[in-house]
Amino acid sequence: GENVEQHPSTLSVQEGDSAVIKCTYSDSASNYFPWYKQELGKGPQLIIDIRSNVGEKKDQRIAVTLNKTAKHFSLHITETQPEDSAVYFCAASDTVFGANNLFFGTGTRLTVIP
Amino acid sequence: ETGVTQTPRHLVMGMTNKKSLKCEQHLGHNAMYWYKQSAKKPLELMFVYSLEERVENNSVPSRFSPECPNSSHLFLHLHTLQPEDSALYLCASSQQIRTGKNSPLHFGNGTRLTVT
Repeated sequence: GENVEQHPSTLSVQEGDSAVIKCTYSDSASNYFPWYKQELGKGPQLIIDIRSNVGEKKDQRIAVTLNKTAKHFSLHITETQPEDSAVYFCAASDTVFGANNLFFGTGTRLTVIP
Repeated sequence: ETGVTQTPRHLVMGMTNKKSLKCEQHLGHNAMYWYKQSAKKPLELMFVYSLEERVENNSVPSRFSPECPNSSHLFLHLHTLQPEDSALYLCASSQQIRTGKNSPLHFGNGTRLTVT
C-alpha cells in the first residue's frame, strides 16, 4: 500500500518568514495530493490540492510543488501570519471503487511567532 | 460551518457501553467516510460508503459498526470498546464520479471519544 512520510513534525517561524513542509510517497499510481490544515478543536480543512498532471499550483500565499519522478511534494507558505499556526497534513490518493482512498502523513505542527 | 456536522462533540463511555456517533452532511455529496485520528499517527480510514457501495478496511475491529441509511447520514455504532480506541473520530464527505476522479474531502469537527 501507499506510504506517505512528512517532515518536519514541528516547525517554528517568525511572522513574515516562509514555511516549507515536505512529503514523500511510495506508490507511483497515486495521482492526487491534497494538503489539509487542522486548527485546535476542528477537523482538517482542505487548503490546496494538486493532481499528477501539474507540477506547481499557487493560491495567494500558498503554493504546492510536485515532483513525480522523485515522488515528493511540498507545501510553501509565504509571508506567514499568526493565524497560519496549525497542524498541516499532506496526503496522497489513488482511487478505490470510485472513492477517495487518502493516505495521510503524520502532520506538521507549524507555529508562527509574532 | 464545514457542511459536515458531527454529534456528539465529546463522548466518554465505559468498556461495556453501547453508543453511536452521528454524522450529517449538507453538501449534496454521494460518499461518506469515517476516519480515526490518534496522536502522532496518520489519519486512518475506517469505512467508506460511496455510490451506494460500502468499502471496508479489513483491519477495523468488529466492535465498530457503520451504518449509512442514505447519502446524507452516517453512523458509527460502538460496543465493548477498549481504552486504546480513545481518539478523535472524524466524518468526511465528498462527491465521487464513477470514472474515479478524486474530489476533495470535507471533514466535520469530529467526536472526541474517551473509553474508560
